Formats: sequence, structure tokens, C-alpha cells
Amino acid sequence: EPEVTQTPSHQVTQMGQEVILRCVPISNHLYFYWYRQILGQKVEFLVSFYNNEISEKSEIFDDQFSVERPDGSNFTLKIRSTKLEDSAMYFCASNQGVTEAFFGQGTRLTVV
Amino acid sequence: AQSVTQPDIHITVSEGASLELRCNYSYGATPYLFWYVQSPGQGLQLLLKYFSGDTLVQGIKGFEAEFKRSQSSFNLRKPSVHWSDAAEYFCAVGLSGSARQLTFGSGTQLTVLP
Repeated sequence: EPEVTQTPSHQVTQMGQEVILRCVPISNHLYFYWYRQILGQKVEFLVSFYNNEISEKSEIFDDQFSVERPDGSNFTLKIRSTKLEDSAMYFCASNQGVTEAFFGQGTRLTVV
Repeated sequence: AQSVTQPDIHITVSEGASLELRCNYSYGATPYLFWYVQSPGQGLQLLLKYFSGDTLVQGIKGFEAEFKRSQSSFNLRKPSVHWSDAAEYFCAVGLSGSARQLTFGSGTQLTVLP
């Protein structure tokens, strides 16, 4: 069964550093997403990406964040100058748009 | 703006007992509704979805959910809970009648007693 894969499973970074979270969406999907879940809180939408550009983004997704599809398979989330409050589980997801979203296992980001 | 409310933060049931997890949504049109489950240290797994048609939908692991437009609800049910069902359950609604930009509820933590 096809699945969304994310690497790494856990990333520890120092405050102020840049991190890149990587995702391989399901191959025939067209829409790609990043969500995050701060410990003990709701899963929150960050951004959706379609046709090589951002289609929607939330208020959380400010200039600190960027997304890219550098090749035909990977989808990345870059966080510049990380802050302590960026510590969270980051989920990548993909779908065809009108079908259900499939989520990866998540990357736990810890900023120290 | 759309929103999802899961009024029960934590539910405890005995193994073999029935289960109902509540979900209420706020959305101006016919919503796309989902239930996801998250086991400890795991990602989000889709249990079931409602897009249109039959308001009683069947999902994986013996779960079902009923869409009630009049009550703006999409409650998740299971007739007999297994110990492996212990997890956190999230209800979600999709933007603009699609599965894009999901809004999640705050989750219900399910504990199953032996």
C-alpha cells in the first residue's frame, strides 16, 4: 500500500539554526501539505502546495517557513532561524485534492 | 470559518463495551468530514470519511460514523472496543467541501480497561 514517508523521525536543533524536514508524498497525488502538532495541542494546518506553488497557507506559516518540491518525489519544509516554540510534531500529507489526505508518520522537531 | 469541537477530552471504557466519540462541526455548506486515529508515537491514520450520500459510513477496524446535518454532528461509534483501540481520535473537516486544509478537533484520548 502506498504511503507518505517522512525523514528524519526526530530532529534536534539549536535555536536559531535552520532545519529542513523531508517528505515523499504518494506518487500520483497532486496536493501536498504540512501540518504541525505542538505537544498537547491540536493538529494545525500550515500550508498546501499544488502545481509547484503554495495554494493555501495559515497565519502560522510566516516568512520563517518555506516549502519546496525540489524534484519529482520530495516535498520539503524549511524553517529558518528556529525558535523554541517551533518544537512540535510536523506531519506531511498528500492527496488528490478532493479525496482523503494520507499522513506520514511525522517528524518530531525539538529546538533547544 | 470552519471549526470542530470534540467535547470529550478523555474517555475510558472497558474492553468489549460500546464506544461513541462525539464531534460537532461548524461549516456553512456540506462538509467533508473525517475521523483520524493517532496511536502513541505514530502518525495519523484515516478511520473513515464522509463526502456525500449515505449518512452512515463504515470505516476500518470496525468503526462507523453517522453524519447528522440537523445536529452538525459526526459521531464515531464502535459496538465492541478492543484494547488495541486505545489511542487519540481526531475529528476533522475539510475546507470548501474538499479534503484540503483540514481543521482538526482537539482530540479525544481513549483509554481501554481490561
